[in-house]
Amino acid sequence: EDQVTQSPEALRLQEGESSSLNCSYTVSGLRGLFWYRQDPGKGPEFLFTLYSAGEEKEKERLKATLTKKESFLHITAPKPEDSATYLCAVVRAAGNKLTFGGGTRVLVKP
Amino acid sequence: KAGVTQTPRYLIKTRGQQVTLSCSPISGHRSVSWYQQTPGQGLQFLFEYFSETQRNKGNFPGRFSGRQFSNSRSEMNVSTLELGDSALYLCASSLGGDSNQPQHFGDGTRLSIL
Repeated sequence: EDQVTQSPEALRLQEGESSSLNCSYTVSGLRGLFWYRQDPGKGPEFLFTLYSAGEEKEKERLKATLTKKESFLHITAPKPEDSATYLCAVVRAAGNKLTFGGGTRVLVKP
Repeated sequence: KAGVTQTPRYLIKTRGQQVTLSCSPISGHRSVSWYQQTPGQGLQFLFEYFSETQRNKGNFPGRFSGRQFSNSRSEMNVSTLELGDSALYLCASSLGGDSNQPQHFGDGTRLSIL
């Protein structure tokens, strides 16, 4: 069975204090790893797709990387508007089912 | 480009009733997936529809069912509601041809069971 574990569960940062979120996964035949951001009362918002080990994607202050066992989401010099829950999900070769981790709640204080 | 639209946003039901939730995908998207989100279990996959056919199914009882129409709009039905069905139900759409295409989510329907 596919498994996705995210750590830490919660992260409190000062504005400008860079940090990394971890997503460890076990999946047979990984087809893609996805990062989403979810704000309270909203659905998850798509951020990145990573397809193979060694791949990196960047968007503003966010950078996602992928190895054969885990993915990292680096937040550089975060701002209060980066406060959200960040979700990691994997999909295997067969099917369109996303398996999600439990998420990391990030709070950036000014 | 309009995003995924889910209606209604909020719903209150009592045990034993049934409910139907609606999802309009992004224009051109042919795959629609449904997820249940709760504080205890997180996001869990319910099922996926593509071209009016259920293509994948998660580990939920038969009380949870769905369908997709020819315009790709989808509905999800839950019968004989239980207290544990209280959750945020999310719909996501994707182009559908390949499993590595990103799924885009609506803002969900918050279902509360009294």
